[in-house]
Amino acid sequence: DIRMTQSPASLSASLGETVNIECLASEDIYSDLAWYQQKPGKSPQLLIYNANSLQNGVPSRFSGSGSGTQYSLKINSLQSEDVATYFCQQYNNYPYTFGAGTKLELK
Amino acid sequence: EVQLVESGGGLVQPGRSLKLSCAASGFTFSNYGMHWIRQAPTKGLEWVASISPSGGSTYYRDSVKGRFTISRDNAKSTLYLQMDSLRSEDTATYYCAVTTEGDYFDYWGQGVMVTVSS
Repeated sequence: DIRMTQSPASLSASLGETVNIECLASEDIYSDLAWYQQKPGKSPQLLIYNANSLQNGVPSRFSGSGSGTQYSLKINSLQSEDVATYFCQQYNNYPYTFGAGTKLELK
Repeated sequence: EVQLVESGGGLVQPGRSLKLSCAASGFTFSNYGMHWIRQAPTKGLEWVASISPSGGSTYYRDSVKGRFTISRDNAKSTLYLQMDSLRSEDTATYYCAVTTEGDYFDYWGQGVMVTVSS
């Protein structure tokens, strides 16, 4: 199975700040990487697919980058509505696997 | 608008069975792969099973292989997950999801809770 190591596990940032979340795959996943946002009590929502493509309707302050085994999610100009847990997921091979999540809070 | 509505969850004793359903609308159900993903309380996400658009191909994580069966009824636009020989570690919120473009999960249902306990 492909292991997805996500960091940090939690993050505290101020409004307007830029935030970076990292995801490391245990093998090359050829950019088959998605990022999801999950707010408390809600289901996950797709933010980024194919490592760097923004899902329709997602604010442009979210961006994804990376290749091979290393990927990152960047949130520019943090807003209060961005408080959530973020997960990366590889879909290069079954079993599809997720990172453990990054809980983002406001400072 | 894509809608996925899960049902069938509840409290069940270890070793018993439960069948989840996911009613889909807002897209041509028979054209797309469907999936079940679960999330144990306060834990991360775990892919459970997938099924191809025709239902001819299915995939499972090792821990549920032989106990869970994913199926679909394209005439009813409904996805199912038959869960047998349930264990306490199967306790989770179960989400259904669809992949319409690539193999990433475009849309998710609201989830249904399954609790396995005596």
